[in-house]
Amino acid sequence: AQSVTQPDARVTVSEGASLQLRCKYSYFGTPYLFWYVQYPRQGLQLLLKYYPGDPVVQGVNGFEAEFSKSNSSFHLRKASVHWSDWAVYFCAVSMHSGGSNYKLTFGKGTLLTVTP
Amino acid sequence: DTTVKQNPRYKLARVGKPVNLICSQTMNHDTMYWYQKKPNQAPKLLLFYYDKILNREADTFEKFQSSRPNNSFCSLYIGSAGLEYSAMYLCASAGYEQYFGPGTRLTVL
Repeated sequence: AQSVTQPDARVTVSEGASLQLRCKYSYFGTPYLFWYVQYPRQGLQLLLKYYPGDPVVQGVNGFEAEFSKSNSSFHLRKASVHWSDWAVYFCAVSMHSGGSNYKLTFGKGTLLTVTP
Repeated sequence: DTTVKQNPRYKLARVGKPVNLICSQTMNHDTMYWYQKKPNQAPKLLLFYYDKILNREADTFEKFQSSRPNNSFCSLYIGSAGLEYSAMYLCASAGYEQYFGPGTRLTVL
């Protein structure tokens, strides 16, 4: 069965510093991987997605993530964090069965807090 | 427009009473999903509709019902709410990606 582990429940970063949020997945086969962000009192928004191809994928607001098959990882990175990035970040893996019919398995999320 | 709407945003229910949550989307997506999200836990898939076909997860099969009267709307129904149902309920609709609504926060007292 597929699973996602986000080992850090909370990460605190100074504004302007770089960021890495960790994600490890377990999946038999070629995964489709996603990072979602949840801002306070809002639903989940897609940050970026990985479909088989270039291991480094670019997302919105300067985020990027790198897929590593050997490490079973899909870590999220940002070069310079802004206070507005304060949110909960979820990593997810999907079993794609074609078209729009697929299931997402999420990690528990990492709360990113930003200090001045 | 990639908006998914959920109503109500907040719901207070009594133990043993029914609860009906509504989700709508205007993207003409074939698939709509319902997830349950509890604090410090991952969103958990409860069920999804692919067109008119309902698929329920094995461990939530008996606890939740759903209907999809047309392509745009999907409901989540709890026949008799228990305290353990208190959670955020997230609806998503999918074309190539899943788009999420803002969620309904259900509190059962």
